[in-house]
Amino acid sequence: GAVVSQHPSRVICKSGTSVKIECRSLDFQATTMFWYRQFPKKSLMLMATSNEGSKATYEQGVEKDKFLINHASLTLSTLTVTSAHPEDSSFYICSARGGVGTEAFFGQGTRLTVV
Amino acid sequence: QKEVEQNSGPLSVPEGAIASLNCTYSDRVSQSFFWYRQYSGKSPELIMSIYSNGDKEDGRFTAQLNKASQYVSLLIRDSQPSDSATYLCAVNLYNFNKFYFGSGTKLNVKP
Repeated sequence: GAVVSQHPSRVICKSGTSVKIECRSLDFQATTMFWYRQFPKKSLMLMATSNEGSKATYEQGVEKDKFLINHASLTLSTLTVTSAHPEDSSFYICSARGGVGTEAFFGQGTRLTVV
Repeated sequence: QKEVEQNSGPLSVPEGAIASLNCTYSDRVSQSFFWYRQYSGKSPELIMSIYSNGDKEDGRFTAQLNKASQYVSLLIRDSQPSDSATYLCAVNLYNFNKFYFGSGTKLNVKP
């Protein structure tokens, strides 16, 4: 399958700071990228959907000013968790797809711990 | 109502048996369906995609789709202990470019 690279895989930050997570499609052009978060033993929760060159569409209950998503190119999307707090600690996963209806491939995930 | 529903399990099967995983979805405009496998602490990996009614086979895996009944299933033949993982059903809503996951079914294959 296609390769999606997510970085960093783990990050620990202090409360109140911001963290940026990158998601890159390495061998295809990702017209759409999805961002999820997952708590231990829970399912993936879709946070937002982003299309290249346009604003992200956030799911209900997800604060767009706290979780800033940028999808500036067909191979890169970033998620910035601003003013992070301990309750933001979670596993964040991106996925990317080349076109509507096609498979989505996942990055390795980023485990964020806010202390 | 959740868009995608799965039995959380765990589903336990002996090695060599057939494991059957089921998923139902609520939105009739859904047009593409996927099964992912997720090992603990890892991100999901794609196993199968299916777009039309009927069966689709790939090695030991068979995906089955019934749009009239709004369910999709995954059969794993000759189950192996390495198949032990959580299996996630995903549904794509074309009209809204949405991609939703079920809560996953945990499968345990006992040696």
